Amino acid sequence: DQQVKQNSPSLSVQEGRISILNCDYTNSMFDYFLWYKKYPAEGPTFLISISSIKDKNEDGRFTVFLNKSAKHLSLHIVPSQPGDSAVYFCAALSNFGNEKLTFGTGTRLTIIP
Amino acid sequence: DAGVTQSPTHLIKTRGQQVTLRCSPISGHKSVSWYQQVLGQGPQFIFQYYEKEERGRGNFPDRFSARQFPNYSSELNVNALLLGDSALYLCASSLDGGGAREQYFGPGTRLTVT
Repeated sequence: DQQVKQNSPSLSVQEGRISILNCDYTNSMFDYFLWYKKYPAEGPTFLISISSIKDKNEDGRFTVFLNKSAKHLSLHIVPSQPGDSAVYFCAALSNFGNEKLTFGTGTRLTIIP
Repeated sequence: DAGVTQSPTHLIKTRGQQVTLRCSPISGHKSVSWYQQVLGQGPQFIFQYYEKEERGRGNFPDRFSARQFPNYSSELNVNALLLGDSALYLCASSLDGGGAREQYFGPGTRLTVT
C-alpha cells in the first residue's frame, strides 16, 4: 500500500526552465510534507518542507505547493540548474506519536544544458 | 557544524552473520531514526529513538534491533543476515521539538550480504 506516490519515475528539463515534480498521498493523517534530493551513494539532503496548515512555502529557487483537498503536492524549481540533476523524494509525516517519514519512490530529474 | 555521521561506509557480510551499524546525530538533536533503502525505492522506516526510548518501529522482523546512548548516538543491529538485507542503511536525526520536524540524513552505510 503505497501511501505516498510519485508517478513520474523521470523528468528532463532544459537548463533555465522550470522543473515541476509531483507527489500524491492517500493518508489523511499526514500533516507535514518534505522534499529531499539525493545524489548516488549519498544520503538524502533536505530541501524544503510544508505544514498542512499552509498551501505554499518558498525558499530561494524552491517552492512547494500543497493542495489538501486533492491530496497533492508539487515542488517547483526555478530556474533549473545542472546541479539540480538528482533523484527527488517526497516524504510525509503524520501526527501519530512518532516521526516516521513515509517516502515516495522518487523522481529522477535531469537538467539538460 | 558536523552533520549526521555514520560508520562504516561500506560493509560486506555473509548470510547468517550479525552486523552493527553506528550513527552520531547532529549536535543538539535528540531523535535518531533508521531507514533502509533498496534500489529503486524510497527509504523505509525501521526505528525511531528519542531520549533513549524507542518511539516507533516499522514493519521489520525482530532480527532488527537498535538502541540509543546517553550522548544520543545510536546503533542498529541486524542478526542472522539474509541476502535481502543488502541495502543502504540511513540514519537521520532531528530536534523533534518546538515544531522542528525536519530530519537530516547521514551518508548511509552500504551493506552487502553474500
